[in-house]
Amino acid sequence: GENVEQHPSTLSVQEGDSAVIKCTYSDSASNYFPWYKQELGKRPQLIIDIRSNVGEKKDQRIAVTLNKTAKHFSLHITETQPEDSAVYFCAASPFSGAGSYQLTFGKGTKLSVIP
Amino acid sequence: DGGITQSPKYLFRKEGQNVTLSCEQNLNHDAMYWYRQDPGQGLRLIYYSQIVNDFQKGDIAEGYSVSREKKESFPLTVTSAQKNPTAFYLCASSPRNRGITGELFFGEGSRLTVL
Repeated sequence: GENVEQHPSTLSVQEGDSAVIKCTYSDSASNYFPWYKQELGKRPQLIIDIRSNVGEKKDQRIAVTLNKTAKHFSLHITETQPEDSAVYFCAASPFSGAGSYQLTFGKGTKLSVIP
Repeated sequence: DGGITQSPKYLFRKEGQNVTLSCEQNLNHDAMYWYRQDPGQGLRLIYYSQIVNDFQKGDIAEGYSVSREKKESFPLTVTSAQKNPTAFYLCASSPRNRGITGELFFGEGSRLTVL
């Protein structure tokens, strides 16, 4: 099955700096890579996702890059703000053929943005 | 107000007892999932269901059971066979977009503590 490694497990940055979280996956058949944000005491929410037919996707201050050859993908947050403080999870999945993705999640990165 | 409702939010159980966690959604989503979240372990898939009356085991199904008698409901039973049941349980659902599921919408979770 798929195995997703996520680094670092904790990350502290000064407000306004950039943050980068990296994930690697093992299954070359994986073609869907979402990122979820979980604020303290709240449910995880999708913030951005990328499919294997593109190498980069941006949405305002966040971007995700994918390197299929190396089997790794990264989340980039620019101009960090205190409200970016949360746990971030990456995930990967091959398309099952039954119309669904069964996501394998990384262990999470706790991001702290210091004002 | 559309969404996913999990109950109870907190639950205490004695060893040897079965307990059922409720998950209801009014989003008209086809797919539903149960994840277990432990500190530093990410989200691990217990069971998932694509359609009514059908479900599949995830990565850590041992000691758990589910049913999907209605599209809106996907209850999880934690049986006495689950060796380490104390955890935070998240239910999620996913719509189909051109036959493919994608973004997961999570409930607020249920925290189970075995005494």
